Amino acid sequence: TQLLEQSPQFLSIQEGENLTVYCNSSSVFSSLQWYRQEPGEGPVLLVTVVTGGEVKKLKRLTFQFGDARKDSSLHITAAQTGDTGLYLCAGVQGFQKLVFGTGTRLLVSP
Amino acid sequence: DTAVSQTPKYLVTQMGNDKSIKCEQNLGHDTMYWYKQDSKKFLKIMFSYNNKELIINETVPNRFSPKSPDKAHLNLHINSLELGDSAVYFCASSPYRSGAGNQPQHFGDGTRLSIL
Repeated sequence: TQLLEQSPQFLSIQEGENLTVYCNSSSVFSSLQWYRQEPGEGPVLLVTVVTGGEVKKLKRLTFQFGDARKDSSLHITAAQTGDTGLYLCAGVQGFQKLVFGTGTRLLVSP
Repeated sequence: DTAVSQTPKYLVTQMGNDKSIKCEQNLGHDTMYWYKQDSKKFLKIMFSYNNKELIINETVPNRFSPKSPDKAHLNLHINSLELGDSAVYFCASSPYRSGAGNQPQHFGDGTRLSIL
């Protein structure tokens, strides 16, 4: 089973700080998605990156897909308490099969 | 309106029992999925159906049997429940686009299954 390792597993920061979450694999994926999951709810898609080296911005969130399409990163600028949640990367294999990462739990305190 | 709805939200039952979880989506999507999320929050695909046809069947015990009566519904029946089946089960759906396998998946809020 292909595995996507995320780091760090847990991150606790103050509001206003910046942070980066990493998602690494030894496998190549056709594309990669990032989801955020809040307690008691299902994951919600944030972004899909498709091309190696692609960078996408979603307000204060910046997503990058590695040149070799094996890794990705999520950078949050000036974190807010509303960013708190479980961040999951997911590599796409074949037809719509998602291989999820191990998850990064983010806690942003006021 | 809830896009992907699962019932029940909570399910507590004894080992050895048989139980079903239902899922319905009103998004008009062709593809539906079942995922299992363990206590460490690791989310893993179990099954996927496209327009009522099984397309993904991961290594899942045959005690788990999905059924799709129509493309808006995907139910999961579990026989002879075991302690290790305790988890949160998520249903999801996505649109179908020929040649584009990275469509966004919309998840339900999960069914929390606890085996006593």
